[in-house]
Amino acid sequence: AQSVTQPDIHITVSEGASLELRCNYSYGATPYLFWYVQSPGQGLQLLLKYFSGDTLVQGIKGFEAEFKRSQSSFNLRKPSVHWSDAAEYFCAVGGPGGGNKLTFGTGTQLKVEL
Amino acid sequence: DGGITQSPKYLFRKEGQNVTLSCEQNLNHDAMYWYRQDPGQGLRLIYYSQIVNDFQKGDIAEGYSVSREKKESFPLTVTSAQKNPTAFYLCASSGRGSDGELFFGEGSRLTVL
Repeated sequence: AQSVTQPDIHITVSEGASLELRCNYSYGATPYLFWYVQSPGQGLQLLLKYFSGDTLVQGIKGFEAEFKRSQSSFNLRKPSVHWSDAAEYFCAVGGPGGGNKLTFGTGTQLKVEL
Repeated sequence: DGGITQSPKYLFRKEGQNVTLSCEQNLNHDAMYWYRQDPGQGLRLIYYSQIVNDFQKGDIAEGYSVSREKKESFPLTVTSAQKNPTAFYLCASSGRGSDGELFFGEGSRLTVL
């Protein structure tokens, strides 16, 4: 069965500092990997996705993620965090064998200190 | 603009009552999904439908029911059999060739009094 682990429940960073959110997955074949962001009381917005090819993926709002098959990881990074990045971030895994069903991690709540 | 509309945004109900959450999409997507979100538990799949008149149970289907009579609509009924219905409910859709990317509505928050 597919699964996603986000080991950090909460992370606090200072504005302008770099950010890395961790994501580890379990999937039986080549995974499709996603990062979504959610503001309070809102739906989820896609930040970026990985299907194949270049393992470093660029997304919106200056985010990027790197797929590392050997570590079963897909960590999200941003070089310089802005106060507006405060939100909850979800990693998700799926694949062609899963019929478009995504499995989500439990999320990481990001707080940005000014 | 294309998107997914969920209604109502907030809903209160008494114990023992059924309630139906609406989800409509104009993205021409074939597949639609219902997720439940609780603090610290991420999103859990309740039901999904890949085509009209067909749907499958997700991981936590007990106490819920759905229908898919139209491509655009996928309503979710929270029945009185659902033991802990207070939660945030998210509807999503995906199209052919989207490789699993989901598009989400803004959610419905159900509170049972």
